[in-house]
Amino acid sequence: DAMVIQNPRYQVTQFGKPVTLSCSQTLNHNVMYWYQQKSSQAPKLLFHYYDKDFNNEADTPDNFQSRRPNTSFCFLDIRSPGLGDAAMYLCATSGLDSNLAGYTFGSGTRLTVV
Amino acid sequence: RKEVEQDPGPFNVPEGATVAFNCTYSNSASQSFFWYRQDCRKEPKLLMSVYSSGNEDGRFTAQLNRASQYISLLIRDSKLSDSATYLCVVNGLRRSNDYKLSFGAGTTVTVRA
Repeated sequence: DAMVIQNPRYQVTQFGKPVTLSCSQTLNHNVMYWYQQKSSQAPKLLFHYYDKDFNNEADTPDNFQSRRPNTSFCFLDIRSPGLGDAAMYLCATSGLDSNLAGYTFGSGTRLTVV
Repeated sequence: RKEVEQDPGPFNVPEGATVAFNCTYSNSASQSFFWYRQDCRKEPKLLMSVYSSGNEDGRFTAQLNRASQYISLLIRDSKLSDSATYLCVVNGLRRSNDYKLSFGAGTTVTVRA
């Protein structure tokens, strides 16, 4: 059973049209992360929530926002997608055992901007 | 300098061969280390954690050298299904349960029949 679920798997949006990607988890992990991964590159951390505490990476563009209404759900909002924002967006969680077990990733949302 | 660096490959090997590759990390305070496997257009999946003493999981052997700040992965008796990109991942603790995983860009392995 999937423990970190991302919806949708594939998203096509128009240039400049706001889009929201969603992530839910059944692991009750207190930390949730959003990564952006472009082709042949390492995943790049955009931001993460430690419980309700939002932590933005210094180089994450203002165009990217996030919401975490409760422990289980986290959203990535892209306010005005550009062509350069086309990528795979990965949600991940970590909990008490993550120092040994690493993160648990969702299956990702592949975003296309047209 | 990147936090985690890997040889991108590709490593093209025949079935049954042994293939090994390394990654280096820059933060000497890093606490834990992992190899993730990523198939094309899929999410990364944990392959194995890497312990100081080195560890094996079937055909896969991981080693950590803290003094030289590198991690290695060795795959014995390669299978076609081992074809994937292998991501080296290094974990730094920010606070309780709050980690920063730093990813390498991956080493691509292709096993041919």
